[in-house]
Amino acid sequence: AQKVTQAQTEISVVEKEDVTLDCVYETRDTTYYLFWYKQPPSGELVFLIRRNSFDEQNEISGRYSWNFQKSTSSFNFTITASQVVDSAVYFCALSVSGGYQKVTFGTGTKLQVIP
Amino acid sequence: NAGVMQNPRHLVRRRGQEARLRCSPMKGHSHVYWYRQLPEEGLKFMVYLQKENIIDESGMPKERFSAEFPKEGPSILRIQQVVRGDSAAYFCASSPDERNEKLFFGSGTQLSVL
Repeated sequence: AQKVTQAQTEISVVEKEDVTLDCVYETRDTTYYLFWYKQPPSGELVFLIRRNSFDEQNEISGRYSWNFQKSTSSFNFTITASQVVDSAVYFCALSVSGGYQKVTFGTGTKLQVIP
Repeated sequence: NAGVMQNPRHLVRRRGQEARLRCSPMKGHSHVYWYRQLPEEGLKFMVYLQKENIIDESGMPKERFSAEFPKEGPSILRIQQVVRGDSAAYFCASSPDERNEKLFFGSGTQLSVL
């Protein structure tokens, strides 16, 4: 069985601060995919990134960066110079190989960016 | 391009009534997933459908819940004889194929059972 743990329930930061959202996962599969989704107040989840288990390269996309470490089973997400529009619930998720997207989600981290 | 459309956005039912949740996937998408989000929890997989076929319903309760995705029309998640524990946000997601990188989610239906 798969498990995703997001220990931070809520985080508040002041605008322009950097913030890291933690994600720890568990799986016995050697091939798997990790995801981050953003859920703004409007409700729909928005895809941010997918990484496969064979690619440990860190990724940067604008103010967003992701740190994947298989040794600690972590896939952390950092927002640099946070903005009010970053306020949302962020979900880390995992799916194993097998084709379709039967995804296991963490419980989410609610990020509030204060102006 | 319209995104994934779910309706209604909010649904209130009394115990014992039926709830029907609708999901129209993005244009060109023939793969639909339903997820449920209970309060203070992450989303939980319920069912995966392709046109006219249920591929995986391992996350769906054995009784009272059913899902369909007909050849024409939206996907429907049906809950019969609702109970208070069914109160949750139900999300639909679609993808153009089985192995697509990401899911496209709707805004969800918030079901409240009185």
